[in-house]
Amino acid sequence: EVQLLESGGGVVRPGGSLTLSCEASGFTFGDYGLSWVRQAPGQGLEWVAGINWNGASINYADSVKGRFTVSRDNAKNSVYLQMNGLTAEDTALYYCARDRHVGQGGIFGSWGQGAQVTVSS
Amino acid sequence: DIVMTQSPDSLAVSLGERATINCKSSQTVFFSTLKKDYLAWYQHKSGQPPRLLLYWASTRESGVPDRFSGSGSGTDFTLTITNLQAEDAAIYYCQQYDTKPYTFGQGTKLEI
Repeated sequence: EVQLLESGGGVVRPGGSLTLSCEASGFTFGDYGLSWVRQAPGQGLEWVAGINWNGASINYADSVKGRFTVSRDNAKNSVYLQMNGLTAEDTALYYCARDRHVGQGGIFGSWGQGAQVTVSS
Repeated sequence: DIVMTQSPDSLAVSLGERATINCKSSQTVFFSTLKKDYLAWYQHKSGQPPRLLLYWASTRESGVPDRFSGSGSGTDFTLTITNLQAEDAAIYYCQQYDTKPYTFGQGTKLEI
């Protein structure tokens, strides 16, 4: 069974930094691309960042480009989202999501339960 | 970026009836080489992560009841849910994965 477990969420002051982790199990981690998708309070889903199976292809939403960094450690079955320069607009539930198919990004077949990030002074 | 627009924003449908949700993309998400539309549908219930329902516009994910179906191509797509059940109450999102950044529609809230 595919499992994705996010951690590292919390409350941070504006301008601060936070790193989310997503530990995976139940599949061959190094075969799949992963993404971070967030949902702000009362809002819809927003794709934030994605990384392919070996980390060679990385993409970001314009809203986080230059502030967020996605990375992965296939030896640890984990993907990370380093978030710098946080603002109130980054307050959201952050989901880790796995591609449904090997080699085809963007179809999110498995999701974690999410990690809450709150940016507040 | 490709803008995804869903309609309606919300709808209320009775048990056993049919619900139809529309999704329009600002540019085509049809990839002619593969003859596929890069369009997915998700169901999102409060307190749970989103659930993939359909991809390639009409391919049902494993375990999804055949009451859920998808149609359309190019820029216009439809999610149809027949014989509505109480557990179908949720917010439904379309999403394109043709071009990064991947983008979602604003969501359609379905009430039973």
